[in-house]
Amino acid sequence: NAGVMQNPRHLVRRRGQEARLRCSPMKGHSHVYWYRQLPEEGLKFMVYLQKENIIDESGMPKERFSAEFPKEGPSILRIQQVVRGDSAAYFCASSPLAVSSYEQYFGPGTRLTVT
Amino acid sequence: AQKVTQAQTEISVVEKEDVTLDCVYETRDTTYYLFWYKQPPSGELVFLIRRNSFDEQNEISGRYSWNFQKSTSSFNFTITASQVVDSAVYFCALSDRAGGTSYGKLTFGQGTILTVHP
Repeated sequence: NAGVMQNPRHLVRRRGQEARLRCSPMKGHSHVYWYRQLPEEGLKFMVYLQKENIIDESGMPKERFSAEFPKEGPSILRIQQVVRGDSAAYFCASSPLAVSSYEQYFGPGTRLTVT
Repeated sequence: AQKVTQAQTEISVVEKEDVTLDCVYETRDTTYYLFWYKQPPSGELVFLIRRNSFDEQNEISGRYSWNFQKSTSSFNFTITASQVVDSAVYFCALSDRAGGTSYGKLTFGQGTILTVHP
């Protein structure tokens, strides 16, 4: 059973470009969480999605950031007009369908560098 | 709001020493979960342990042990006879149960950088 997959693993963008980060949850998982790890900091929650729905985006910056988890395909975290401060590691985690589940399985992360 | 504090930013030990990483948490929830993750230099997050708020038994797994004390809101992690391969950043995290008010999202501490010297 494949784990959570994220791609690309490393992404370099120039200021003003768009970054698209993909997360494929584990098979059978329909809940996805995105976290951001700024340099030398802990991980901070950004957004929680279920299939086709954003449930909690309280940790996501109001501008330039968006997330989706379509019925088919991976979850996408999109950052428009990137700035140097967006350089970070972005992790996604998935959990199973059951509401009572509390396990989150993390992907390997995408390291975004903005030059 | 939930909060996790790892007061030790960096710890340096010599191989074979025992080392304890401290974690103190704050939550209003009566049902919650505590986690420890390891982040080696390669960058991925490695799950170490999950403990629920109703289970205060200490746990030992090989050289690792965890001490959960609800009375002091602490969930400390001890590595016995440390090895160079234990060098990593260690994160403590807190979650309410999925379906609770925060949907099971994790609140992480700032992390403790552990360096084990040969």
